[in-house]
Amino acid sequence: DGGITQSPKYLFRKEGQNVTLSCEQNLNHDAMYWYRQDPGQGLRLIYYSQIVNDFQKGDIAEGYSVSREKKESFPLTVTSAQKNPTAFYLCASRQGGKNIQYFGAGTRLSVL
Amino acid sequence: AQKITQTQPGMFVQEKEAVTLDCTYDTSDPSYGLFWYKQPSSGEMIFLIYQGSYDQQNATEGRYSLNFQKARKSANLVISASQLGDSAMYFCAMREGRAGRRALTFGSGTRLQVQP
Repeated sequence: DGGITQSPKYLFRKEGQNVTLSCEQNLNHDAMYWYRQDPGQGLRLIYYSQIVNDFQKGDIAEGYSVSREKKESFPLTVTSAQKNPTAFYLCASRQGGKNIQYFGAGTRLSVL
Repeated sequence: AQKITQTQPGMFVQEKEAVTLDCTYDTSDPSYGLFWYKQPSSGEMIFLIYQGSYDQQNATEGRYSLNFQKARKSANLVISASQLGDSAMYFCAMREGRAGRRALTFGSGTRLQVQP
């Protein structure tokens, strides 16, 4: 069954701690994206990657980092520099042609 | 300026009736795509329907149709025969251009509640 798997579903971060959110896809899509959603709002782009070993900052990249060592995987690290990390994080991959993005189930990050 | 505007924070509809969710967009790019996603309380974003800027006909997917009025820059979602399971947040989104990041810009969403 093809899809996008995000883990963990819930994550708690202590002050000064880096945490990593996992995103894996088996859809054979080249492009992957990370979005952040705050309560009552739409999604905002954090980082994206169109090909392995390449990634670009989105609109709100400060305090985040990513890697893309494998086509299937695009982990997001929320660093201690991100002062307001509490949000819902969604990973997506993009199908060619119509460029439809398909999303994982999300990770809800809270600060302790 | 907002690129995607959804002016209805919340909507109510009776079960089995049709409902229209509004979306207007702003772009100067001649090539763009418009998308609607459903977000139930679980949080996952579920793709519903896509309309390309060069598509001559309105897109349809089962009970979903997209009323695309290019000159007015509107892309309203019509849900026919509403079901209780349609209660969710609905987001309109746009992808601009044929190249580049091809990320989506989202509106702020409309919360739809279907009443029995």
